[in-house]
Amino acid sequence: GNSVTQMEGPVTLSEEAFLTINCTYTATGYPSLFWYVQYPGEGLQLLLKATKADDKGSNKGFEATYRKETTSFHLEKGSVQVSDSAVYFCALTSGNTPLVFGKGTRLSVIA
Amino acid sequence: DAMVIQNPRYQVTQFGKPVTLSCSQTLNHNVMYWYQQKSSQAPKLLFHYYDKDFNNEADTPDNFQSRRPNTSFCFLDIRSPGLGDAAMYLCATSRDLRRGGYEQYFGPGTRLTVT
Repeated sequence: GNSVTQMEGPVTLSEEAFLTINCTYTATGYPSLFWYVQYPGEGLQLLLKATKADDKGSNKGFEATYRKETTSFHLEKGSVQVSDSAVYFCALTSGNTPLVFGKGTRLSVIA
Repeated sequence: DAMVIQNPRYQVTQFGKPVTLSCSQTLNHNVMYWYQQKSSQAPKLLFHYYDKDFNNEADTPDNFQSRRPNTSFCFLDIRSPGLGDAAMYLCATSRDLRRGGYEQYFGPGTRLTVT
């Protein structure tokens, strides 16, 4: 079956530090990959997505590249801000299946 | 703006007293989902509707039911809430699931407290 594994948190960084949150997946067929972000007390918001191998999704300074050879979709940002503090979820959908989520990674950015 | 709306944002109910959470969407999406989320864990899919076709997850308790009277609205009914049902309930929508690759759009969630 489909599954997503992402790095355990919490991750604590200083402002302007480089961020990487690792995500790997197992899926049948050709999945579409997503990163969602959840700010405290809110629902999930789509951060970025990639629908085929070698696609790069990007938004608000965040990037992730769909790597079929390593079955990975790592999230990166060059310089984090305090406002990036949130929980980040990696997710996939394959064929006609609903989203499968990773367990989430809590990011705290301190000034 | 087109969006997914959940009401109420906060709901308090008593142990064993039925409660209904509502979700509406202006996106005209075919598919609507209900998730349960506890303590910033990953959302857990309870069920989803593809148009009027209801799809229940195997491990969703019978205590949870859902109704979708039309494209725009979907309801989550908890028949006899227990303390373990206290959680954030998230509604989401997406376009045609069969074509794959479509992201889900989430509402802000309803936080349910059971006293």
